[in-house]
Amino acid sequence: DIQMTQSPSSLSASVGDRVTITCQASQDISNYLNWYQQKPGKAPKFLIYDASNLQTGVPSRFSGSGSGTDFTFTISSLQPEDIATYYCQQYFNLPVTFGGGTKVEMK
Amino acid sequence: QVQLVQSGAEVKKPGASVKVSCKTSGYTFTIYDINWVRQATGQGLEWMGRMNPNNGDTAYAQKFQGRVTMTRNTSISTAYMELSSLRSEDTAVYYCARDGSYYRFDPWGQGTLVTVSS
Repeated sequence: DIQMTQSPSSLSASVGDRVTITCQASQDISNYLNWYQQKPGKAPKFLIYDASNLQTGVPSRFSGSGSGTDFTFTISSLQPEDIATYYCQQYFNLPVTFGGGTKVEMK
Repeated sequence: QVQLVQSGAEVKKPGASVKVSCKTSGYTFTIYDINWVRQATGQGLEWMGRMNPNNGDTAYAQKFQGRVTMTRNTSISTAYMELSSLRSEDTAVYYCARDGSYYRFDPWGQGTLVTVSS
């Protein structure tokens, strides 16, 4: 199985800060990577597909980049409603696997 | 709008089985795969498998092979996930999710808490 390693596991930032999360795959996955947001007690929400493409309706302050084994997810200006846990997901090989998550908290 | 509505919480004893339903609406049920993902309390997301509602074809994560069965009833646009031989480690929230394409899970059901306890 492909292992997905996210870092950091948690972070604290202020409104307006730039937030960056990294996701590393245990092998080359090209750009077969998606990102999700999960708020407490809620189901995950699909944000970004193919590493860098924003799903329709997702605010433009969210972005993703990378290919191969190293990926980055960025919130350009953190808003209070962005407090959540973020997960990367690879679909290069089955089983689909997720990173361990990054919990974003407000400072 | 597209909606996936899951059945309610379940409490099961070790060794029992549980069947969770996922009723879909707002789109043609047979066009998109349904995936199942679980999440233990305070833990990450774990993919269990997927089902093609058109022909019933399935693909299961090896971890769950032999214990999980994914089925559907096309007449009521509903997918099912049954997990057998339950153990305490299976206590989790189970989600269904529509696969738009290439394992883009959107949207998700609201989740079903399954508690396994003696």
